[in-house]
Amino acid sequence: IAGITQAPTSQILAAGRRMTLRCTQDMRHNAMYWYRQDLGLGLRLIHYSNTAGTTGKGEVPDGYSVSRANTDDFPLTLASAVPSQTSVYFCASSQGYNEQFFGPGTRLTVL
Amino acid sequence: GESVGLHLPTLSVQEGDNSIINCAYSNSASDYFIWYKQESGKGPQFIIDIRSNMDKRQGQRVTVLLNKTVKHLSLQIAATQPGDSAVYFCAGSPSGTYKYIFGTGTRLKVLA
Repeated sequence: IAGITQAPTSQILAAGRRMTLRCTQDMRHNAMYWYRQDLGLGLRLIHYSNTAGTTGKGEVPDGYSVSRANTDDFPLTLASAVPSQTSVYFCASSQGYNEQFFGPGTRLTVL
Repeated sequence: GESVGLHLPTLSVQEGDNSIINCAYSNSASDYFIWYKQESGKGPQFIIDIRSNMDKRQGQRVTVLLNKTVKHLSLQIAATQPGDSAVYFCAGSPSGTYKYIFGTGTRLKVLA
C-alpha cells in the first residue's frame, strides 16, 4: 500500500514558468489537501478538496490552483512561479474530519 | 484570527525522562486537534488526536491533554527515546471544516 505519492521529489524552476505538482492517494479518502512548509511558519494550507469535483481555498491560495477530477488525484499548479513560492510542498488526505495522512513532500526552488 | 502556536521552539530531554510539549490555540470554535511528528526530510506523521468533548486521551506512550477553558493542549511522551527526536506539530480545525491550522512546531531533542 503506497498511501500518498508525490512527484517530483524536488524541482528547480525558473521564475515565470508553469509547474504542476502531482499527488495521488490510494486510500479512497474523500478529502485532500495541499500545504506549504517554510522555516518558522509551520505548515500552511493552500487549497483543499472535500470531494471529487469541489475545491476550497486555504490560508495562502494566491498564485496556486488545484483541480479534483477524481478521488485519487489532486494536482497543484503554479501558473507563473515566483521566488516566494520556494518551499516544501506536502499533499495530504483524510477520510472525513479525521487524521490526515501526508505524502513525502516536494522540495521546490524558484530562481 | 485563528492561530495555533507552540510555546517553545526547542525542547531537550534526557533519554528515559518524560517530555511535555505545549500548544495554544485562539479559535474557540476549534473542536478537533491532532498532534503530528515530523522527522527530517519526511512528511508529518499522525501521533494522536482529541476532540473537544474529551479532556484527555492516551495512546502508546503518549497522552494528549486538552484544556478548553484556557485553549491549551499538551502532548506528553513517557520514557522518551532517541527515536522520539523530531519536530512536533499541533493542528486544530473548527467544527465541520477541513481548514486545519498548524502550529509552528517544537523540536524535541533526546539526550543520551
